[in-house]
This record gives sequence, C-alpha cells and structure tokens, in this order.
Amino acid sequence: GAVVSQHPSRVICKSGTSVKIECRSLDFQATTMFWYRQFPKQSLMLMATSNEGSKATYEQGVEKDKFLINHASLTLSTLTVTSAHPEDSSFYICSASQLRDANTEAFFGQGTRLTVV
Amino acid sequence: DAKTTQPNSMESNEEEPVHLPCNHSTISGTDYIHWYRQLPSQGPEYVIHGLTSNVNNRMASLAIAEDRKSSTLILHRATLRDAAVYYCILRAISNTGKLIFGQGTTLQVKP
Repeated sequence: GAVVSQHPSRVICKSGTSVKIECRSLDFQATTMFWYRQFPKQSLMLMATSNEGSKATYEQGVEKDKFLINHASLTLSTLTVTSAHPEDSSFYICSASQLRDANTEAFFGQGTRLTVV
Repeated sequence: DAKTTQPNSMESNEEEPVHLPCNHSTISGTDYIHWYRQLPSQGPEYVIHGLTSNVNNRMASLAIAEDRKSSTLILHRATLRDAAVYYCILRAISNTGKLIFGQGTTLQVKP
C-alpha cells in the first residue's frame, strides 16, 4: 500500500534553533499534505494544510511564521519549526491521501519526536 | 466536519472479539465513516471506512447503523498488538483530505 515517510523520527535541538522535518509520499503524488501535532496523552491536532506550489493554510491559533511549511514537489512537504522553544516539544505527524476523495484512506508518517532543550 | 463521540477507554481479553462504538448523530448523508488507530509512539494507521453498508477487511469489520447515526468497529479476535487508541472520524465528501481527530478510545487488551 501507499506509504508516507517522515524524517527524522527523533530530533533534539537547543532552544532558539530551527528544525526541519520532512514528509515524503513514497509511491504516489500528493498535491495536499497535512501536518499535525500531538502532545502527550492528547489527540492529534491539525496544524496546517500543505499545498503543492502554493501557500500553506494554517489552522486557527497556529503561527505561520513559526511553523514554516514548504511543499515544493508532489512528493515532499517540509515543516520547519523556527526559533524552537521547550513548549514546541511535541510529536509531529504528517499525512497524505492519494486522492482528494472521502472514499479514500489517508496515510500517515511515522511521526517525529521533537525535544527542545 | 460532523462530530463523533467515543468512550474514553475499553478493555478486552486476548483472542476475544471487541466492539468499539462510535456515535455520530449529526452525520450528513455524504459523510464517510473512517476508523484509524494509533499505536504508542507511532503515526495513526488506517483501519477501515464505509458509507452505508457494513464493510469487512483483513483488519476489522465496520457495522453501520441503518440511520447512520452510529457505527461499531469490530475486531474479531483481539491480540496484544491491537492495544491502541482507536479514532472514529467522519470525512465529508467535500473534504480535501484533512482529518479532525477526537479523543478516541484507548483499547487495553489483557493476556
């Protein structure tokens, strides 16, 4: 089946630095990808919709200047956490579907555990 | 997207069937019912989805009420590897692909 791959799976960075997380669709093209954040013992929270060739759409309350999203190709979206702080420590997950169709399953990356120290 | 309600947690014994309920009383006629599960420290994985008719696949079965206001995910023989958080999500036909997650049901499987 279709696979979405995230890299890295874990990252530790110092406060004030930036971290880039990659999300790739391995065997299909995804014009749209989604980024989620999950804090311990909580559900996934949608952060933004990544659109190939255009600006990302951010959910209410998500700072677009802090969470930079680039979707430069049909198989790659990146999320950059800029000037990271300890409160940005979280589990970041991306997803994509082969079709923009409710009758289609969504595929998720393995997640990236970000720890800001 | 319409809201779903699930019990916070459920327990099951290994090798017994598990019925995970989901209420979605405000579902519209074109909303698909999707189920995903998330194992610890992993991204969610697709389980099953349906519109009106009951669905079966290698992982589970999905039973959809006739009025579509509720559904039940059925794991026929629970294993320890089925311990996860199960999410029931409605996906509108106009939806671009984003999924809005509720709190889900944490399933514990006892040996």
